[in-house]
Amino acid sequence: DGGITQSPKYLFRKEGQNVTLSCEQNLNHDAMYWYRQDPGQGLRLIYYSQIVNDFQKGDIAEGYSVSREKKESFPLTVTSAQKNPTAFYLCASSRALGPETQYFGPGTRLLVL
Amino acid sequence: RKEVEQDPGPFNVPEGATVAFNCTYSNSASQSFFWYRQDCRKEPKLLMSVYSSGNEDGRFTAQLNRASQYISLLIRDSKLSDSATYLCVVNSPSGTYKYIFGTGTRLKVLA
Repeated sequence: DGGITQSPKYLFRKEGQNVTLSCEQNLNHDAMYWYRQDPGQGLRLIYYSQIVNDFQKGDIAEGYSVSREKKESFPLTVTSAQKNPTAFYLCASSRALGPETQYFGPGTRLLVL
Repeated sequence: RKEVEQDPGPFNVPEGATVAFNCTYSNSASQSFFWYRQDCRKEPKLLMSVYSSGNEDGRFTAQLNRASQYISLLIRDSKLSDSATYLCVVNSPSGTYKYIFGTGTRLKVLA
């Protein structure tokens, strides 16, 4: 049963702490994405990866970092430099970068303590 | 002007009604268009792609108007289960290929 998994479902971050959100897909997709969703706003692109060992900044990359060491995995780290991290984080994948349908994971809700 | 604009709603309609949403986009070079459905506190799920000639999937019909730069979604015979937020998604052809998401239109179907 193919799909995208994200963990954890909820994550709490203390001031000054780095946290890592997991995203795994078994769809054999080359492209993967991280979005952030805030109330009343559309999804905003944080980072994307076209292929293994390659990733590019999106529109709001400051305070975030990613890696793409395996095709299946695209973890996102929210660093202490991200001053307003409370949001719903969504990972997505598509067959390739381009006019392809994106499929989303269930999301991680990050809250700051 | 926002790249993708949607009326946030909510649209409150009775069961069985027909409802339509529009979404305007600013870049005339955009080529790919989608409607996604998002339930409260859940991830977006693809509802349908929007093709130039228009397309239909059961009770749902999507249209593209390139001249006026908008896409539309028509839902016939609304069901309670159609209650959700509908996101318009348009590709941004400038620079790297990426998608721009609208803020969504909220639909409530009432019994």
